[in-house]
Amino acid sequence: ETGVTQTPRHLVMGMTNKKSLKCEQHLGHNAMYWYKQSAKKPLELMFVYNFKEQTENNSVPSRFSPECPNSSHLFLHLHTLQPEDSALYLCASSQGLQIPGELFFGEGSRLTVL
Amino acid sequence: EDKVVQSPLSLVVHEGDTVTLNCSYEVTNFRSLLWYKQEKKAPTFLFMLTSSGIEKKSGRLSSILDKKELFSILNITATQTGDSAVYLCAVKSSGDKLTFGTGTRLAVRP
Repeated sequence: ETGVTQTPRHLVMGMTNKKSLKCEQHLGHNAMYWYKQSAKKPLELMFVYNFKEQTENNSVPSRFSPECPNSSHLFLHLHTLQPEDSALYLCASSQGLQIPGELFFGEGSRLTVL
Repeated sequence: EDKVVQSPLSLVVHEGDTVTLNCSYEVTNFRSLLWYKQEKKAPTFLFMLTSSGIEKKSGRLSSILDKKELFSILNITATQTGDSAVYLCAVKSSGDKLTFGTGTRLAVRP
């Protein structure tokens, strides 16, 4: 148990579906992140939120839409995805952006796009 | 562009062996280097290194950083099957950017 909870753990969706991934952290952290992990590729940073404000959008296609209603919750809204978007989506949190410390990761949401 | 390279990509050893995993980097304004262990889904934190030459140790795992040669190593002694995992190296640079390597997949056979 890392203090970061992601749901759903597995998701299968068609290219025309709309779904959302949810992340919740119970650590009192101020920064939250979405990462994409594809086979044989490094973890790719997608979005960063600090105190609910988006501080980074790492050239992510608009079919991925993040939402951060408060410092404890982070969503990733998905629509009209492509098969190449199939991957493990990891949420993480950290105490703050300016502190060079560790990220705490959730278990991930395994997404398959048919 | 920041770059983190890990080697080897994968490794198979027998229980009791000692392994050394490598991480080299090229980043702008280095701040820290982190090692994670990813067994199934969630990467879990192992070490954070900020200063050269100071070994961090936790049980059978240890790590050291060389900021002059731009690399770090992660050592695991007396390996056990529970050490089987992907080991990720990440480097934090200016702008609080964290760049990950592709990881080293370690398999420890009984």
